[in-house]
Amino acid sequence: GNSVTQMEGPVTLSEEAFLTINCTYTATGYPSLFWYVQYPGEGLQLLLKATKADDKGSNKGFEATYRKETTSFHLEKGSVQVSDSAVYFCALSDLDTGRRALTFGSGTRLQVQP
Amino acid sequence: EAGVVQSPRYKIIEKKQPVAFWCNPISGHNTLYWYRQNLGQGPELLIRYENEEAVDDSQLPKDRFSAERLKGVDSTLKIQPAELGDSAVYLCASSLNLRNEQFFGPGTRLTVL
Repeated sequence: GNSVTQMEGPVTLSEEAFLTINCTYTATGYPSLFWYVQYPGEGLQLLLKATKADDKGSNKGFEATYRKETTSFHLEKGSVQVSDSAVYFCALSDLDTGRRALTFGSGTRLQVQP
Repeated sequence: EAGVVQSPRYKIIEKKQPVAFWCNPISGHNTLYWYRQNLGQGPELLIRYENEEAVDDSQLPKDRFSAERLKGVDSTLKIQPAELGDSAVYLCASSLNLRNEQFFGPGTRLTVL
């Protein structure tokens, strides 16, 4: 079946530091890949997505590239801000299989200190 | 445009009591999802609706959980009776159809004592 593995947190960085959150996946088909963000007290929000190999999703300075050869979708940002503190979830959706819903990783908490 | 609305936001009950959660999806969204998010974990799908039809409920514990989506709009998720292990955040999401982006509500945090 499908699964998503992401690095455990919390990840603690100083403002303006470089961020990488690793995500790898296992899927039987050709999934679409997503990063969702959950700010304190709020619902999940789609941050970025990629639908096929070598696609790069980007939003708000965050980027992730769909790497089929390494089955990875690592999230990166060149300079984090305090306002980026949140929990980040990597997810996949495989419309080619019977279960057409998102499969999530366990989440990585990011804490950015001023 | 209003987002996905859920109520209540928080619920504390004793084990063996019933509980219900309500979700109002974004207007016009045909697909509705209920997820359960345990502490420190990612959300896991419980049930998916296409309009009023439950098309994927394979992960719903049917001995104590039930759901309905009358008229293909609002949805209710019920647990009867609740167990200690049901403590979690219950998330509702909706999308235009299954190929479109899912929008999530803020969730209902359930604590079973």
